[in-house]
Amino acid sequence: DIQMTQSPSSLSASVGDRVTITCRASQGISNYLVWYQQKPGKVPKVLIYGASTLHSGVPSRFSGGRSGTDFTLTISSLQPEDVATYYCQKYNSVPPWTFGQGTKVEIK
Amino acid sequence: QVQLVQSGGGVVQPGGSLRVSCDASEFSFSSHDMHWVRQAPGKGLEWVAIISSAGNNEYYGDSVKGRFIISRDNSQNTLYLQMSSLRVEDTAVYYCARDFFSSGLDVWGQGTTVIVSS
Repeated sequence: DIQMTQSPSSLSASVGDRVTITCRASQGISNYLVWYQQKPGKVPKVLIYGASTLHSGVPSRFSGGRSGTDFTLTISSLQPEDVATYYCQKYNSVPPWTFGQGTKVEIK
Repeated sequence: QVQLVQSGGGVVQPGGSLRVSCDASEFSFSSHDMHWVRQAPGKGLEWVAIISSAGNNEYYGDSVKGRFIISRDNSQNTLYLQMSSLRVEDTAVYYCARDFFSSGLDVWGQGTTVIVSS
């Protein structure tokens, strides 16, 4: 099975900071990578699919990138409402549809 | 609006069985693959199972394979997860979610709590 390794597991940054989260796939998955945001006590929401396509309604400060099997989620200017845990998920129609371990983002 | 409403869940003893349901509304349920995802207390998301739109293909995560069965009734717009031989480590919030083709799980149920405890 393909493993998805997310880093860091948590981070603390100031409002306005640029924040980057990384997700590494153990094998190639092309662009089949989705990023989710889960706020405390809420269900997850899609932020980005296809590694870099912003889901409808998601603020433009969120962006996704890919270099080989390394994927990034970047928040260009961290806002208080971005406090959440972020997950990547492989989505290439080959089971299992594995999630990364999650990255908890807090405000410093 | 497009939504998934879950029911079922509860407290069950180790080795027991339980079924959770997920009712879909305001979209073409039979056009979408459907997933179950779970989240143990204080832990991350774990993918559990998927069923194809027609209900003729299923896949499971290794931790539940052979114990859980995902099924659907397209005439009733309902998704099911039958859980058997439950273990303490199956304690989690279980979510149903709609597969929006290659764009991820775009609609989620509200979650159903399953507690396995003696």
